[in-house]
Amino acid sequence: AQSVTQPDIHITVSEGASLELRCNYSYGATPYLFWYVQSPGQGLQLLLKYFSGDTLVQGIKGFEAEFKRSQSSFNLRKPSVHWSDAAEYFCAVGDPLNYGGATNKLIFGTGTLLAVQP
Amino acid sequence: DGGITQSPKYLFRKEGQNVTLSCEQNLNHDAMYWYRQDPGQGLRLIYYSQIVNDFQKGDIAEGYSVSREKKESFPLTVTSAQKNPTAFYLCASSIPTGQGKHEQYFGPGTRLTVT
Repeated sequence: AQSVTQPDIHITVSEGASLELRCNYSYGATPYLFWYVQSPGQGLQLLLKYFSGDTLVQGIKGFEAEFKRSQSSFNLRKPSVHWSDAAEYFCAVGDPLNYGGATNKLIFGTGTLLAVQP
Repeated sequence: DGGITQSPKYLFRKEGQNVTLSCEQNLNHDAMYWYRQDPGQGLRLIYYSQIVNDFQKGDIAEGYSVSREKKESFPLTVTSAQKNPTAFYLCASSIPTGQGKHEQYFGPGTRLTVT
């Protein structure tokens, strides 16, 4: 069965510092990969997605993520964090064999809560 | 503006009462989903619907029911059989972006508190 692991429950970085949030998945092939962001009490917003092709994916708000097949990882990065980036970040995977079919669903990690220090 | 609306934002109910959460989308999306979010557990899928008049159970469907009579609407009923209904509920919808790839878009959520 697919699974997603976000090893860091909580991360604190200083404003202007670089950021990397970790995501590891378990799947027999290359899954579809997503990063979402959630502000307190709000819904989720899609930051970026990977289906195939170039393993470095650019998203909104200056975020990027790199798919590394050898490490089963899809880590999210930002070179310089802003105070407005404080939020919870979720990694998710979709099964290409079922995506768009009868069991079209995403599996979410448990999230990483990002705090930004001034 | 197109989007997904969920109402109300906060909902309070007494134990033993059924309660229905609203989800409406004007994005013309075919598929819709209901998730439950609890602290430290990520999102768990309750029900999803690929098309009008059809829906499937997700991973935690017990104690919940849904209907999909219109493309725009996918209401979720939390019944008295749900043992721990207090949670944040998120509705999502999706349309294929190509080759069956569905990006999911989320509503703002409803926080349900049952006492």
